[in-house]
Amino acid sequence: EDKVVQSPLSLVVHEGDTVTLNCSYEVTNFRSLLWYKQEKKAPTFLFMLTSSGIEKKSGRLSSILDKKELFSILNITATQTGDSAVYLCAGEIQGAQKLVFGQGTRLTINP
Amino acid sequence: EAGVTQSPTHLIKTRGQQATLRCSPISGHTSVYWYQQALGLGLQFLLWYDEGEERNRGNFPPRFSGRQFPNYSSELNVNALELEDSALYLCASSVRVGEQYFGPGTRLTVT
Repeated sequence: EDKVVQSPLSLVVHEGDTVTLNCSYEVTNFRSLLWYKQEKKAPTFLFMLTSSGIEKKSGRLSSILDKKELFSILNITATQTGDSAVYLCAGEIQGAQKLVFGQGTRLTINP
Repeated sequence: EAGVTQSPTHLIKTRGQQATLRCSPISGHTSVYWYQQALGLGLQFLLWYDEGEERNRGNFPPRFSGRQFPNYSSELNVNALELEDSALYLCASSVRVGEQYFGPGTRLTVT
């Protein structure tokens, strides 16, 4: 059965800290790994990773995929209170266009 | 560029009734996806439509059905509503193969 597991499930840090969120996956016919940020309702797209070892960056956020060890990490540096959200990762199944989501990591940034 | 839109925002139904949820994709996107996010659970894949055809469905009973119109908008129908159908229903769209962008969701409450 396809499975995506995120850790930690919850994380509380102070503004300015750097955080690392983890995502491991077991997905048949894996095509890509996606990261989303969910604040209220709509998950907002962050990254899509298809190749191993190539870091993607967007401002203070970065992510990398390891297809040999079947995991990905999302780093956020110099965190701000606006980074508080649930971060979701999902494995995409090739051909089925289906995303298998993890449970999410609830990140809370305290001022 | 307008994002994915969904209507209604909230929907309250009683057990046994039918619910209809609507979604308009981003302009130029031909694929529409439906996900269910029940309280305490992760996003679960429901349906994928592309070019007017149902391409894939998740592990949901036949009470969950939908369609995609020629303008690529989509409708999700849930028949014979049960209490456990109460959830946030998210629609996403993409080009044929690409990252999925989510709408704000419809909160369905079954009483």
